[in-house]
Amino acid sequence: EIVLTQSPGTLSLSPGERATLSCRATQSLSSTYLAWYQQKPGQSPKLLIYGASSRATGIPDRFSGSGSGTDFTLTISRLEPEDFAVYYCQQYASAPDTFGQGTKLEIK
Amino acid sequence: EVQMLESGGGLVQPGGSLRLSCEASEFTFSSYAMSWVRQAPGKGLEGVSGITDSGDDTYYTDSVKGRFTISRDNSKNILYLQMNSLRVEDTAVYYCAKRGSRSRGSNYYMDVWGEGTTVTVSS
Repeated sequence: EIVLTQSPGTLSLSPGERATLSCRATQSLSSTYLAWYQQKPGQSPKLLIYGASSRATGIPDRFSGSGSGTDFTLTISRLEPEDFAVYYCQQYASAPDTFGQGTKLEIK
Repeated sequence: EVQMLESGGGLVQPGGSLRLSCEASEFTFSSYAMSWVRQAPGKGLEGVSGITDSGDDTYYTDSVKGRFTISRDNSKNILYLQMNSLRVEDTAVYYCAKRGSRSRGSNYYMDVWGEGTTVTVSS
């Protein structure tokens, strides 16, 4: 089973700042089968990024993904108030799918 | 708008059973793989089980193997999760999620999620 480790666990930033979230896998992911999801309190997760770097439909271009192999990054270029949430990475390269433990992005 | 509506959650005693359903609408259900993901109270996401578009291939996370069974009825656009021998640690919100493809591949991410149904296992 591929284990994903996200860092940091909590990130405290202000609106307008840049956020950089990390996701590291225990094995190299074939063909960058990695996704990022956003979850707000009381809501279901929402797909942001797939294939490590492709934005899902309707996702603003301030969200970007990068990386390959075992190291991946989600970057939010300029934080908006609605971006403060929990973010999860997920690998779908091999069964069972696994998720990182999440990074909570909170307002400083 | 693509939608999934989960039902069947509730309070059950340890050792009991529940069957979750996920009714899909506004997309060709039979053309996409589907999955169940759970989230224990205050915890992160855990992939539970998945099934291909035709239902001919399934997978389970180790902790539910032999206890849970995923299935689908493509004539009714419904995904199921039969949960037997429930344990306290199965307590969670269970989400159904649509995959972006028929089976594992480049588009196998989870592109649409339901609102979830809550399962509580307690005596």
